[in-house]
Amino acid sequence: QQQVKQSPQSLIVQKGGIPIINCAYENTAFDYFPWYQQFPGKGPALLIAIRPDVSEKKEGRFTISFNKSAKQFSLHIMDSQPGDSATYFCAASMGYIPTFGRGTSLIVHP
Amino acid sequence: KAGVTQTPRYLIKTRGQQVTLSCSPISGHRSVSWYQQTPGQGLQFLFEYFSETQRNKGNFPGRFSGRQFSNSRSEMNVSTLELGDSALYLCASSLGAGKNIQYFGAGTRLSVL
Repeated sequence: QQQVKQSPQSLIVQKGGIPIINCAYENTAFDYFPWYQQFPGKGPALLIAIRPDVSEKKEGRFTISFNKSAKQFSLHIMDSQPGDSATYFCAASMGYIPTFGRGTSLIVHP
Repeated sequence: KAGVTQTPRYLIKTRGQQVTLSCSPISGHRSVSWYQQTPGQGLQFLFEYFSETQRNKGNFPGRFSGRQFSNSRSEMNVSTLELGDSALYLCASSLGAGKNIQYFGAGTRLSVL
């Protein structure tokens, strides 16, 4: 059973575009929602995270929107750059171990 | 501060063999988690060790095992390898208390022929 559903599986945008990646969860006990960024040949790295008592969090060009009632959250990348091309994973946790989405491969064309 | 180090980076084994992967966490981190990453299943949690004790376990067969040493270094062992075990195995370390950030290593790419 996949507890965190992530979409789309892949995404291609032009430089300056705003890619949006969506995630939905089922377990209402989840209380921490991080996003990870993974470049080829590297392990995932924490990008930004949010707790359910907040509806939006922004760090630089990255913004998480959180809808607790819909059990959905999304990542927006403002003014996307070719260097943002990577795989993005959403996750949800209620303890020490996160449950990950399947990942979204993002390509930003120059 | 050095990051999470995994060795080796690449491994090629044949079916039926066993393999041991190593992970050195960030200095001061007491929790080490292991994940299997495949294109079809994404990132799947294997187990977590904290202060030499397995604290959490994922849904993997008993062929997958691990241990943690007193210096927090961890090893993961897979016995009787199957073709489906081919994957990137990632190790992540954290302080181990509260909602800690997990820091991932670059992984060990295991190919089973």
